Amino acid sequence: DAKTTQPTSMDCAEGRAANLPCNHSTISGNEYVYWYRQIHSQGPQYIIHGLKNNETNEMASLIITEDRKSSTLILPHATLRDTAVYYCIVRVSAYNQGGKLIFGQGTELSVKP
Amino acid sequence: DAEITQSPRHKITETGRQVTLACHQTWNHNNMFWYRQDLGHGLRLIHYSYGVHDTNKGEVSDGYSVSRSNTEDLPLTLESAASSQTSVYFCASSARLVEQFFGPGTRLTVL
Repeated sequence: DAKTTQPTSMDCAEGRAANLPCNHSTISGNEYVYWYRQIHSQGPQYIIHGLKNNETNEMASLIITEDRKSSTLILPHATLRDTAVYYCIVRVSAYNQGGKLIFGQGTELSVKP
Repeated sequence: DAEITQSPRHKITETGRQVTLACHQTWNHNNMFWYRQDLGHGLRLIHYSYGVHDTNKGEVSDGYSVSRSNTEDLPLTLESAASSQTSVYFCASSARLVEQFFGPGTRLTVL
């Protein structure tokens, strides 16, 4: 699985968009980009995933660059409840790859009033 | 509502004792996973299972074992607890190996 690089921490004002970057320059053609988040003392929570097209769901949008070497998770209107550690994970989404998630250090997002 | 639960939520034990952490899910997911989380290491995979009677080792499996006798449960056993196994343990399950649902975690302290 390709390695990802994320900033250690970021701040965002409540109500503004939070843009969390992730670099994955060694990503392979069959590897997906996943985002999870972990609110303090809770289990991680799935947010979104994508292969090469931009994706949007009720929680967030995922923008993947054309060369797939980086991506950005966008929380359109951040709230205080979005304060969490956000993990960008790259892996093959295939049954024989074990479904394993390799978590890095993530980005600690602080949403401030 | 379907859910994933872990018990106990907090456990204190002594070095050398056998400890079993329970994980139970009601989604009927085939795939279940155990992770541990330590400061400075993020979450690391201990063991995982694709279905009944199937178990596989993750990246930090030494000192841990699992067994899968039904779809709903994947208990994690520490055969002889060590202080290095003091950690927060998370169980997860998934249906299609895409989205994993995590339990609330068990905080284990080995004295």
